[in-house]
Amino acid sequence: SQKIEQNSEALNIQEGKTATLTCNYTNYSPAYLQWYRQDPGRGPVFLLLIRENEKEKRKERLKVTFDTTLKQSLFHITASQPADSATYLCALEGQLTGGGNKLTFGTGTQLKVEL
Amino acid sequence: EPEVTQTPSHQVTQMGQEVILRCVPISNHLYFYWYRQILGQKVEFLVSFYNNEISEKSEIFDDQFSVERPDGSNFTLKIRSTKLEDSAMYFCASSRDIYNEQFFGPGTRLTVL
Repeated sequence: SQKIEQNSEALNIQEGKTATLTCNYTNYSPAYLQWYRQDPGRGPVFLLLIRENEKEKRKERLKVTFDTTLKQSLFHITASQPADSATYLCALEGQLTGGGNKLTFGTGTQLKVEL
Repeated sequence: EPEVTQTPSHQVTQMGQEVILRCVPISNHLYFYWYRQILGQKVEFLVSFYNNEISEKSEIFDDQFSVERPDGSNFTLKIRSTKLEDSAMYFCASSRDIYNEQFFGPGTRLTVL
């Protein structure tokens, strides 16, 4: 069956360091993968989308890589700040069925950036 | 910046009652979705909607659930007879097309007593 795995343990890092979050998947061949941020009691906020033919994508302090051979995506936040503390969700597109598309989410990794 | 809005933010209902959750997707988006998140669990897909019909639904989305786009702006999720296990955050999302990012609303917290 299809499976998405993210670091289940919280990641604590010091301010200014680079946070690296991992998303591994099995039994999938997604055309693209998305990363979202979720704060407690809030909806997911879109951060980055990377397609299967893209190896890397950047947006300000964020970088995502997508290795379809390893079936893995890495999400990096450089120069991390306490305001980056949140849960980060990996989401893969499901099978396209004509008129719509579903996202399948991982359980998320909680990031805490300490002063 | 355009955003998805949802009302109400919190709905409390008795088991067996009908509830309607409302969403206003981003105006030029064509694809609409409902997801739910039970407390402490992951976000789960319920249904996608395009061109006034359901395009995909999960096994969670049984006969108790229905969706509708009653006018050009609203998108609703109805649960006919709520159960205790329907208690969750319900998120509406929309996207311009199926190849682009989905934007989520702030959610409606549904509590079934």
